[in-house]
Amino acid sequence: ETGVTQTPRHLVMGMTNKKSLKCEQHLGHNAMYWYKQSAKKPLELMFVYSLEERVENNSVPSRFSPECPNSSHLFLHLHTLQPEDSALYLCASSQDPTGFYGYTFGSGTRLTVV
Amino acid sequence: GQQVMQIPQYQHVQEGEDFTTYCNSSTTLSNIQWYKQRPGGHPVFLIQLVKSGEVKKQKRLTFQFGEAKKNSSLHITATQTTDVGTYFCAGPGYGNKLVFGAGTILRVKS
Repeated sequence: ETGVTQTPRHLVMGMTNKKSLKCEQHLGHNAMYWYKQSAKKPLELMFVYSLEERVENNSVPSRFSPECPNSSHLFLHLHTLQPEDSALYLCASSQDPTGFYGYTFGSGTRLTVV
Repeated sequence: GQQVMQIPQYQHVQEGEDFTTYCNSSTTLSNIQWYKQRPGGHPVFLIQLVKSGEVKKQKRLTFQFGEAKKNSSLHITATQTTDVGTYFCAGPGYGNKLVFGAGTILRVKS
């Protein structure tokens, strides 16, 4: 366990489905992140939350909707996804939004859109 | 925007050989971090370098930060099969968010 727990580990969904990814951190960190990792592509930052406030949205399509109800929990709501959205979705947390002391990543959710 | 470039993209070595990956930034960095992602796993923080010219060691891994704080390297001595994975460097970018390099994939042949 890394201190950052992601569920589910694997998810297969149709293009018309609605699903949510969950992330929980037990480290007392103040910032949380969603990253997308596709094959042969660099890590793509999607969203940043600092103290439950969204501070960055990297031009992510509206079919991805984040939610941060408190500093320990982060969700990524998914609806009407496309096959190209299939990827590993990683949640990370850090002590502060600069990430100066490093990021702790969760194990990720492997998403397949069919 | 600020970019972090890593080379090589991919390296396949014989077990026991050395391995080095290089990271170059378009701007001066306040710090640089290295992560390792095993196949099927997630990135794990390895180390942070802060000072110009800093060198840190973790067993067979040697991390170096350039004098100008724009480049860094990770050197593995006598690779083992447990070293396989993707090694990422990351540095602060716009808004102080970490910018990750594309990673170097290391494969070790036993």
